[in-house]
Formats: sequence, C-alpha cells, structure tokens
Amino acid sequence: EVQLAESGGGLLQPGGSLRLSCAASGFTFSSYAMSWVRQAPGKGPEWVSAISASGGSTVYVDSVKGRFTISRDNSKNTLYLQMNSLRVEDTAVYYCAKFPYGAKRYFDYWGQGTLVTVSS
Amino acid sequence: AIQLTQSPSSLSASVGDRVTIACRASQGISSALAWFQQKPGKAPKLLIYDASTLESAVPSRFSGSGSGTDFTLTISSLQPEDFATYYCQQFNSYPLTFGGGTKVEIK
Repeated sequence: EVQLAESGGGLLQPGGSLRLSCAASGFTFSSYAMSWVRQAPGKGPEWVSAISASGGSTVYVDSVKGRFTISRDNSKNTLYLQMNSLRVEDTAVYYCAKFPYGAKRYFDYWGQGTLVTVSS
Repeated sequence: AIQLTQSPSSLSASVGDRVTIACRASQGISSALAWFQQKPGKAPKLLIYDASTLESAVPSRFSGSGSGTDFTLTISSLQPEDFATYYCQQFNSYPLTFGGGTKVEIK
C-alpha cells in the first residue's frame, strides 16, 4: 500500500525558514517522480514543485522560485521541501504527492498534509 | 500558465441525481486532464486521468469526457458519499494547474 507521510509543518514569522519531509513507503520510491502541492485555507490546490525520480531535474511554480528547494534522498525514501523567506501567502496545508510511473504528471497518491502557518 | 475554469462553482443535488461538472482550459491540452474529489480535512483523491480513464477502485458512476479545451465530469447517480468538492487538473505542461473547484452539496 502506498503511503506518504509529511512532517515538519508549524507556525513561523514572515522571513523564516522551514524544511518539510515526506516519508514514502509501499512503492519503489527511486522509480517515481514526486511533487509538493499546497492548499491555502478555503482555496483550491496549487502545485508548488516537482522532482524527477533521480533528483536531477526540478521545476517550480513562479511564486516560489528562488525561495523553495525540492530534493530527495532515495536511500531514505524521503522527499523534502526547503522553504526560505516565507511569506504570509505561503500559509497552507502542504501535501506530498506521487506521480504515476512514466511521463504523465497527474497525482495518483497524496499524503495527509502538514500545515504551515506564516504569521506575525 | 494554462488556466482551468470550472463551472458551476457549487451545486445542490439530491441522491440519485445525475450531476455534470465542466472544466474549460485556456488553451488546448489534448487529453491531459485529471479529476479529483476532496472531502473536508482530507487530501484530494484521484478519480479520472487522461480525461476519461477511471482510476482503479473508483465507482463506475463516475465518468469523464472531452479533449482539447472542454471537459466534463459526470456522476450518473449521486450517492451520499459523493458530496464533496471536485477539482480538475491539467498536466499538459508546467506549471501544473487546478480548476477553482465545484462544491457538490445536498439539496
């Protein structure tokens, strides 16, 4: 059974930093591209970032470019999101999501999410 | 970025009703569209991908159609567990984008 478990969320002030983790199990993690998707309170989901299976290729939504870094450790079956220079508008539930095998980029499995609140 | 416009934003329906939700893309995306169901406090759940392919274990009352810029999610006979918010997502190109959502409420 595919399981994705996020951790690392919390409350912090604007300008702060946070690293989210996503522990994956139930599938061969190193074979799948992965992603982070966030959802602000009362809003729809917003794709944030994606990383290839090897970790050699990454892509970001414009609003987080230069502030967020996605990475993975295939030896630990773990996905990360380093978030710097956080803004109030980054407040959201952050989900780790898996892509299906191959080139298609829809989300076939999601974690339960971790809440990041940025407030002064 | 490709924008997805869903309509309606909300609807009220009764158990047993046929429900149709539309998703329009700002440019052609072939069949690179997925549909998700989300219940309060839960992560979205994949229902359909490639515009019309039903995800494993999803009930057959759900169906999707369309290609290019116009897509539809249909629930043939609404069940109590189907009251939720539905989102479309395009995966034709980055940035991946979602529609604004359609909330299906009990009439």
